Amino acid sequence: EDQVTQSPEALRLQEGESSSLNCSYTVSGLRGLFWYRQDPGKGPEFLFTLYSAGEEKEKERLKATLTKKESFLHITAPKPEDSATYLCAVYTSGTYKYIFGTGTRLKVLA
Amino acid sequence: EPEVTQTPSHQVTQMGQEVILRCVPISNHLYFYWYRQILGQKVEFLVSFYNNEISEKSEIFDDQFSVERPDGSNFTLKIRSTKLEDSAMYFCASSVSVREQFFGPGTRLTVL
Repeated sequence: EDQVTQSPEALRLQEGESSSLNCSYTVSGLRGLFWYRQDPGKGPEFLFTLYSAGEEKEKERLKATLTKKESFLHITAPKPEDSATYLCAVYTSGTYKYIFGTGTRLKVLA
Repeated sequence: EPEVTQTPSHQVTQMGQEVILRCVPISNHLYFYWYRQILGQKVEFLVSFYNNEISEKSEIFDDQFSVERPDGSNFTLKIRSTKLEDSAMYFCASSVSVREQFFGPGTRLTVL
């Protein structure tokens, strides 16, 4: 069965304290891995798409990387406005749906 | 910047009633989706829709649910005979192809 696991569940950082979020996946044929940001009571906001192992994408303080079994979302020198839940989702072969992880709730303290 | 819109933002209904949740996908997108998120839980796939028909549905999407694209812009999710456990955020999403999806702000459904 296809599965996506995110860790940690929650993370508290001081402003400027860099860290990484993990998304591990077990799927039958990865077609794409996606990172989203979700603020409370809002819909997921698209951040990155990764398609193959070794691929990296960057946007401001965020950098996403992909291996054959997991993806990392690196947050460099975070600010309080980076506080949100970060979601990982995968597309697998032969489907039209995302499988989401449970997310990592990030809190950045000033 | 084009975005997915959803109405209403909050729907309160009595158990056993029917509700229709509405979505306007991004105009040049061809694939449409509904997901739900029960409070504190992960986002769950319900159904995908392409070329005026359902392309995939989850085990959650049983006979209680239906989707429709009544015109060239709207995409609706109908829930018949609502149950308490249907209370959740319902998100509509759309995509150009089978890749990144763009989500709407959601409709919070509360079943009393």
